[in-house]
Amino acid sequence: SALTQPASVSGSPGQSITISCTGTSSDVGGYNYVSWYQQHPGKAPKLIIYEVSNRPSGVPDRFSGSKSGNTASLTISGLQAEDEADYHCTSYISDSAWVFGGGTKLTVL
Amino acid sequence: QVQLVESGGGAVQPGRSLRLSCAASGFNFNTYAMHWVRQAPGKGLEWVAVTSDDGNLKYYADSVRGRFTISRDNSENTLYLQMNSLRAEDTAVYYCVRGGNPTVTMECWGQGTLVTVSS
Repeated sequence: SALTQPASVSGSPGQSITISCTGTSSDVGGYNYVSWYQQHPGKAPKLIIYEVSNRPSGVPDRFSGSKSGNTASLTISGLQAEDEADYHCTSYISDSAWVFGGGTKLTVL
Repeated sequence: QVQLVESGGGAVQPGRSLRLSCAASGFNFNTYAMHWVRQAPGKGLEWVAVTSDDGNLKYYADSVRGRFTISRDNSENTLYLQMNSLRAEDTAVYYCVRGGNPTVTMECWGQGTLVTVSS
């Protein structure tokens, strides 16, 4: 089954927001292989967090990831207008397979 | 720099077949697992299939197993997705995605190719 994300979150510039991604012990809780992607309208997803909390080079440190039990979280601090996008979480499940969440639309007010 | 360019998408009737291609450049193709991920219009992402770096291991989502076949030609740096018995629910943008090495993730994404299944 797909991971559970809130459909939408919002915040004002400069604030912090957190997006949750809830799975089970067979996915999020069972592996430290959660990734997060940012997707602007009409664009391909871009990797922003891998292996729960690691940032690829070039991703601002305003983006951070964490995990507790079966729930992973993406926190964006110091919100900027350009952060407005869809955010997707994914977790490794087994046999090189992955499962995604339904995606969360972030609105910067 | 890493480039992944998908092609082969288009409109097709239910029950027909289509083959997608993904031309890779800018990295050692034969040292990375490769994935297909799709996104139905207005929906979230769905992982479809993966092939190991040498093409010997292949895994599929339940929704496509038995209908889709992932393959690769390392001599041509190209990834393929053969899609048979297409259904309306297969309508989506299909992305070619490079796996991580040594990181465990899906790292680099192509721009996608749209497949529309409709009568």
